[in-house]
Amino acid sequence: GQNIDQPTEMTATEGAIVQINCTYQTSGFNGLFWYQQHAGEAPTFLSYNVLDGLEEKGRFSSFLSRSKGYSYLLLKELQMKDSASYLCAASNNAGNMLTFGGGTRLMVKP
Amino acid sequence: DTAVSQTPKYLVTQMGNDKSIKCEQNLGHDTMYWYKQDSKKFLKIMFSYNNKELIINETVPNRFSPKSPDKAHLNLHINSLELGDSAVYFCASSQYRSHGTDTQYFGPGTRLTVL
Repeated sequence: GQNIDQPTEMTATEGAIVQINCTYQTSGFNGLFWYQQHAGEAPTFLSYNVLDGLEEKGRFSSFLSRSKGYSYLLLKELQMKDSASYLCAASNNAGNMLTFGGGTRLMVKP
Repeated sequence: DTAVSQTPKYLVTQMGNDKSIKCEQNLGHDTMYWYKQDSKKFLKIMFSYNNKELIINETVPNRFSPKSPDKAHLNLHINSLELGDSAVYFCASSQYRSHGTDTQYFGPGTRLTVL
């Protein structure tokens, strides 16, 4: 089966750093995606990790540990516009399948 | 230029009706998807088409019938709409890979409300 877990909600302060965790148990795991979704809008791609380790992209970084079935998204220098849901999704080897977690709703406060 | 577009953006209809949602992508991708996002915000795959052929069908009721006239279009037709069909439906596209998954790009979504 497929199981993706991430916290439902998080709150952080503007300018701070926040880490959103994701654990997964999926068959035929290939890689881990993070998407950002603002209310009423489409998910937009943030990052994709296939290998273990940290991938840095500006203020956003994503980490993957395949042996632990664990990933996190790190957001630095938080801005108000970062208030959104962050979706963790595991990809498998069979036919371009993505399994999404329920999303973490991040609220950034002044 | 819109990469993945869907019409309509909002759809309000009565139970029992039949409706269609259209999706088009201009990214040159050969794989397209339909997802359903319910009120709890879970995004679940419904169908995937690669070069007009169905490759994923995730136990969706057969009232839902996707149609892909060409690899740039994937439409979703829903028969006999039920209250539980109310959700946001997202279309997405990606380049096919035989191993793993390429990045999927999502359309703006269609908010379907069944009364």
